[in-house]
Amino acid sequence: EADIYQTPRYLVIGTGKKITLECSQTMGHDKMYWYQQDPGMELHLIHYSYGVNSTEKGDLSSESTVSRIRTEHFPLTLESARPSHTSQYLCASRLSSGGGLLLAGELFFGEGSRLTVL
Amino acid sequence: AQKITQTQPGMFVQEKEAVTLDCTYDTSDPSYGLFWYKQPSSGEMIFLIYQGSYDQQNATEGRYSLNFQKARKSANLVISASQLGDSAMYFCAMREATGNQFYFGTGTSLTVIP
Repeated sequence: EADIYQTPRYLVIGTGKKITLECSQTMGHDKMYWYQQDPGMELHLIHYSYGVNSTEKGDLSSESTVSRIRTEHFPLTLESARPSHTSQYLCASRLSSGGGLLLAGELFFGEGSRLTVL
Repeated sequence: AQKITQTQPGMFVQEKEAVTLDCTYDTSDPSYGLFWYKQPSSGEMIFLIYQGSYDQQNATEGRYSLNFQKARKSANLVISASQLGDSAMYFCAMREATGNQFYFGTGTSLTVIP
């Protein structure tokens, strides 16, 4: 079972508020990712990190920002939420190398944060 | 060009029957990995199965198997003996050895009928 946690699971917030979606993993994974997903739709990469102090924007333009000050923590922040930000946000992590199944380097996902901006 | 293509938006299967979910991919990298994930209505993504581009045999994990046809660039997921709990969205994904990004398809919604 994956040890990657996202909070909050559900959030309803008004336009203009600042929000931070938390993501933590206890597996010592070096790489972490944030995906945005509308219901029943594909995943879009919005941010990823190779390691501490390393972050990159993904293919989908996003007004959010991320930070990676500690290996285990990869929070996503929206400075001013808008209704267009309503979506599910999935955090994931993986190990660059390892034995057994981890040679695949598959992504482990958190349970997601469903954000609704009114 | 799309890296991952899933052409079946929705599929239905009778309980206890087998079902194949299609996935084709596009890459020029000789080394890559292919992944299948299941996403129930609760929203979490569950890893099912992995196939490496150099693997000689098709991957299997319990009731899941991957029909890997490298020349055709297809990596279809086969679920045998379908169960009601298999009803979910299924996503095919790929990562190229030269990159860190995962490319996901648009998903297939599977409904298992009692």
